[in-house]
Amino acid sequence: NAGVTQTPKFQVLKTGQSMTLQCAQDMNHNSMYWYRQDPGMGLRLIYYSASEGTTDKGEVPNGYNVSRLNKREFSLRLESAAPSQTSVYFCASNSYRVNTEAFFGQGTRLTVV
Amino acid sequence: DQQVKQNSPSLSVQEGRISILNCDYTNSMFDYFLWYKKYPAEGPTFLISISSIKDKNEDGRFTVFLNKSAKHLSLHIVPSQPGDSAVYFCAARRANNDMRFGAGTRLTVKP
Repeated sequence: NAGVTQTPKFQVLKTGQSMTLQCAQDMNHNSMYWYRQDPGMGLRLIYYSASEGTTDKGEVPNGYNVSRLNKREFSLRLESAAPSQTSVYFCASNSYRVNTEAFFGQGTRLTVV
Repeated sequence: DQQVKQNSPSLSVQEGRISILNCDYTNSMFDYFLWYKKYPAEGPTFLISISSIKDKNEDGRFTVFLNKSAKHLSLHIVPSQPGDSAVYFCAARRANNDMRFGAGTRLTVKP
């Protein structure tokens, strides 16, 4: 049971570099999310996709872009990485408008130097 | 703006006693609430949830209470066990699936 898979698990970037975090789920969920976790700040929503073909901003979208490639995949792109984007990133998925829980991936630890 | 707030960064309780974790929210559009548990270097895992049409949901040692008028929910763990030591996140979801989390409370259960 793969659930939600994130790649890579670890990444170090230099300031100004770009990269894409990948997320895929195999639970046939409609909705997918990207969060970042920082000490004392909890999990903050970056972007979410309520259903295939839609994306919406969350609390902290600046500096990020997302693509809902298909129902399974939701990627997060950093066009020009900044040290403030050093964080642990989590992808999650759940069913749309159904009262069930969201499932999380294992996280991507990103360091921008 | 933080729409889901957990004002206690940490909580320490003795094994066998009750742990009470609190959460407040500001957006009245939230209609489904969840608690997650997180260990270091792992993704959050679901613990228990409650719909806005209920005021209590129980699952074994875990009970969640919802007070809609106060925009407050709490998680009770009875009895607490050392294995419950983790960070607990409160989450709230709107009908459009926008789901927000609090800052988390680190629970330590001492043997």
